Amino acid sequence: QQQVRQSPQSLTVWEGETAILNCSYEDSTFDYFPWYRLFPGESPALLIAIRPVSNKKEDGRFTIFFNKREKKLSLHITDSQPGDSATYFCAATSGYNKLTFGKGTVLLVSP
Amino acid sequence: GPKVLQIPSHQIIDMGQMVTLNCDPVSNHLYFYWYKQILGQQMEFLVNFYNGKVMEKSKLFKDQFSVERPDGSYFTLKIQPTALEDSAVYFCASSLQGAEDERLFFGHGTKLSVL
Repeated sequence: QQQVRQSPQSLTVWEGETAILNCSYEDSTFDYFPWYRLFPGESPALLIAIRPVSNKKEDGRFTIFFNKREKKLSLHITDSQPGDSATYFCAATSGYNKLTFGKGTVLLVSP
Repeated sequence: GPKVLQIPSHQIIDMGQMVTLNCDPVSNHLYFYWYKQILGQQMEFLVNFYNGKVMEKSKLFKDQFSVERPDGSYFTLKIQPTALEDSAVYFCASSLQGAEDERLFFGHGTKLSVL
């Protein structure tokens, strides 16, 4: 039973477009949702995170939209750049950094 | 920025042998973690470790697994004996505190191939 689901599995957008990465979860006790980004050959790194008290979190070109009722969230990357090409992992936790990860979305931004 | 180093990057061993995966966490961090990622699947929590003790472990953390960090040296994951299903990439992570919103710093992972 997969607790955190991500879609699509892979996504290709043109440079300058908005990429939308989706995430849904099962466990109602989850109360912190970080997104980690993995560049090829690198290690996963925290990109942006949100708590359910907010329905939106913005950091530059990256925005999380959160719908607690539907247990869904999405990561929007505006003005996508080729350097944004990476695998994006949605994660969730209810304590002690025991993160539950999704399988990831592979994003390719074409110039 | 702070880095977590994992040694080796790839380890190939025969089924039944023992293997030790090494992790050099960020120097002032106090909480340590292992995650396992089977090819094509999500990263899954194995165990977290603080103050010389396992705090929590998942059902993936079999009896053949053990972790330790003797006196500030490497944080290690030992598997003895190994099984074919242990083949995966193992990610080490560390954090300064154990709060749920604490940023985890991950290593590059060690790819373990059990033949």
